[in-house]
Amino acid sequence: TQLLEQSPQFLSIQEGENLTVYCNSSSVFSSLQWYRQEPGEGPVLLVTVVTGGEVKKLKRLTFQFGDARKDSSLHITAAQPGDTGLYLCAGLPGDRKLIWGLGTSLAVNP
Amino acid sequence: NAGVTQTPKFRVLKTGQSMTLLCAQDMNHEYMYWYRQDPGMGLRLIHYSVGEGTTAKGEVPDGYNVSRLKKQNFLLGLESAAPSQTSVYFCASSYNGRGTQYFGPGTRLTVL
Repeated sequence: TQLLEQSPQFLSIQEGENLTVYCNSSSVFSSLQWYRQEPGEGPVLLVTVVTGGEVKKLKRLTFQFGDARKDSSLHITAAQPGDTGLYLCAGLPGDRKLIWGLGTSLAVNP
Repeated sequence: NAGVTQTPKFRVLKTGQSMTLLCAQDMNHEYMYWYRQDPGMGLRLIHYSVGEGTTAKGEVPDGYNVSRLKKQNFLLGLESAAPSQTSVYFCASSYNGRGTQYFGPGTRLTVL
């Protein structure tokens, strides 16, 4: 069974702090997606990383795909209350069904 | 474009009742999915479809049936609802199964 472990499960920080969320697996993925889900809504894609070692930036969010394509991280610089939500990683193995992590629930307090 | 829409948004059922959740997408996507989301359990795939007229079981298919008679619609049925089916249900679609999944706003179902 392929698993994607996300950590931490919960994170509560003050506005302006930095944070990192991790997504780890023992399996190799052809790509990995990060989604954000706000309360009462469905997940929305933030970014897809495809190449081992790849780094993508989306404003204050930095995404990295591990060299071996088994893990990924999301770093948020100077978090803002608008970053509050559930962050989900999802890896794509060879059979086209996404493997989802359980998510990291982030609360950024003003 | 409306993207992915789901009806209804909320529903309360009594144990043993049946209902159908409707998902519609206007992006001409081949792949469609039904997930349930429960606290501490993440998103779990119930059933999915790789094209019109096809359906396949996901991770937690028991107690649910699906149909994809038209490419744009994916229906999820509960024949005899149970309290364990209390959850938030999300429909999603994607172009080819490897790219972005586009989610609907969800249906919050409570089974008493």
